Amino acid sequence: DSGVTQTPKHLITATGQRVTLRCSPRSGDLSVYWYQQSLDQGLQFLIQYYNGEERAKGNILERFSAQQFPDLHSELNLSSLELGDSALYFCASSASGGASETQYFGPGTRLLVL
Amino acid sequence: SQKIEQNSEALNIQEGKTATLTCNYTNYSPAYLQWYRQDPGRGPVFLLLIRENEKEKRKERLKVTFDTTLKQSLFHITASQPADSATYLCALMTTDSWGKLQFGAGTQVVVTP
Repeated sequence: DSGVTQTPKHLITATGQRVTLRCSPRSGDLSVYWYQQSLDQGLQFLIQYYNGEERAKGNILERFSAQQFPDLHSELNLSSLELGDSALYFCASSASGGASETQYFGPGTRLLVL
Repeated sequence: SQKIEQNSEALNIQEGKTATLTCNYTNYSPAYLQWYRQDPGRGPVFLLLIRENEKEKRKERLKVTFDTTLKQSLFHITASQPADSATYLCALMTTDSWGKLQFGAGTQVVVTP
């Protein structure tokens, strides 16, 4: 158990809908990362937050947005969902977001868009 | 374009032997290279980190080498066990991309008794 929690574990929704994925980092970690893993793209970095502020951005679609709240939990919002958004979404956390830090991954949210 | 390549074919190995996985990269100057293990349907688990100025790192039965001239890292599992069966991912981080890990597609290892 990494100490990172993600909810929900599974999500089934329809195209065009909007969903929110939630992540609680390990106790004491200030930085949160979101990744998307699909069969054809592998594990792709989406976005990083540190203590409530956005720090780094990957190839995150404009339909996706995220935020980190004062209690350090984070939410990833996915809107206007398409079939291709079906994937595993992982949240990870680290102490302060530095380059040499270990990132601890949560169990993931499996999203299926029908 | 930037690429991180890992052998897409599964590595089938007998228990007790050494498994060697390769991670090659192009158009990167990574400051750090990490290896993760991922079991089906679960999140990656950190195994080892090696810095650009380090040649080799060990942890129990695991060994990682990093050759910045060849742009390659090798990951070894010695005395492999069936419990080592999983997908192993390499990930790079450059000095200008703090926190932004770039992952390879991973190599599946299957250890048979």
